[in-house]
Amino acid sequence: LAKTTQPISMDSYEGQEVNITCSHNNIATNDYITWYQQFPSQGPRFIIQGYKTKVTNEVASLFIPADRKSSTLSLPRVSLSDTAVYYCLVGSGNTPLVFGKGTRLSVIA
Amino acid sequence: DGGITQSPKYLFRKEGQNVTLSCEQNLNHDAMYWYRQDPGQGLRLIYYSQIVNDFQKGDIAEGYSVSREKKESFPLTVTSAQKNPTAFYLCASSTWTGWDNEKLFFGSGTQLSVL
Repeated sequence: LAKTTQPISMDSYEGQEVNITCSHNNIATNDYITWYQQFPSQGPRFIIQGYKTKVTNEVASLFIPADRKSSTLSLPRVSLSDTAVYYCLVGSGNTPLVFGKGTRLSVIA
Repeated sequence: DGGITQSPKYLFRKEGQNVTLSCEQNLNHDAMYWYRQDPGQGLRLIYYSQIVNDFQKGDIAEGYSVSREKKESFPLTVTSAQKNPTAFYLCASSTWTGWDNEKLFFGSGTQLSVL
């Protein structure tokens, strides 16, 4: 079972780029990396998913190095509304996905 | 609009009482899930179902029960055997492509509290 490690919390000022790194040393060959965002009292929302190299959508970018032992979620020019908890998940073959405590991002004006 | 609907948003349980949380989806998803979230914690899997009339226990199934009689519905019953039921309960669904690249779609949650 691939386990992930990510910082407990991060602070950023509005307008800055935020990079949240997730470590997953035991990732398996078929596993994808998926990031979710959760606001207080709401369900998590899918942000982005990738397998290798770089993936970009209208919300974020996901950078995955060649060895795939880590990944970085990049949020460009954050605003106060990006304050949330961000979860990094790695697919685990035959067992259900595990949501850890995530990274609590606080954006400051 | 397509999505997942959880009801009620807030629920109160008396001692010894069973309560049922509703989860309905119109996304035509095969798989549905129930998670529990305690304050400041991640999500823990209670039960999941990959197909109608079949479901599996997650990490913390004790004190809970589910049914999957229809593709669209996956109700969760919190029984009196669950001694610490106060938590935020989240329902999710997916098309089921396998655990290696699953994408979950979540409802807005039900906050359950004990009176």
